[in-house]
Amino acid sequence: EVHLLESGGGLVQPGGSLRLSCAASGFSFNIYGMGWVRQIPGKGLEWVSTINTVGDRPHYADSVKGRFTISRDNSKNTLSLQMNSLRVDDTAVYFCARADSGLVTFDFFDSWGRGTLVTVSS
Amino acid sequence: DIQMTQSPSILSASVGDRVTITCRASQSISSWLAWYQQKPGKAPKLLLYKVSTLESGVPSRFSGSGSGTDFTLTISSLQPDDFATYYCLQYNRFWTFGQGTKVDIK
Repeated sequence: EVHLLESGGGLVQPGGSLRLSCAASGFSFNIYGMGWVRQIPGKGLEWVSTINTVGDRPHYADSVKGRFTISRDNSKNTLSLQMNSLRVDDTAVYFCARADSGLVTFDFFDSWGRGTLVTVSS
Repeated sequence: DIQMTQSPSILSASVGDRVTITCRASQSISSWLAWYQQKPGKAPKLLLYKVSTLESGVPSRFSGSGSGTDFTLTISSLQPDDFATYYCLQYNRFWTFGQGTKVDIK
């Protein structure tokens, strides 16, 4: 069974940094693309970032480009999101999600974690 | 960027009703569309992908149709477990979600 467990969320001041992690289990992590999707509490879903199997093809939403960095460690079955220069409007639940393929191109997300809450506030 | 316009935002229905939700893309996305169901405090759950392919384990009362720019999610006979929020997702070029449709009890 696919299991994705996010961690690293919390309260941070505007301009601060936070690193999210996603521990994957129950599948061969190294053959799937992965991504992050966020959701402001009570609002809709917003794609944040994705990465292919070997980690050399990241994509970012315009709203986070230049501030967030996605990475993966296939030896540890872990996906990460380094978030810098955080803003109040980055406040959201961040979900880790598995793509249905290696993300050579684009694909849908077939499995999701339960999310971790990031709150940016002074 | 591809925009996804989902309607309605809220849909009030009764158990047994046939329910239809639509998504319109700002440009053609071929058949690269998925549908998700989300309940409060939970992760989204994949229902259908490539417009009409049912994810394993999803009841057959869920169906999808459309191509190009106009797409539909249909629940043939609404069940108590189906009261939730539904999102479409285009994955033709990058990823864009619709704004969501909350299906609540009439």
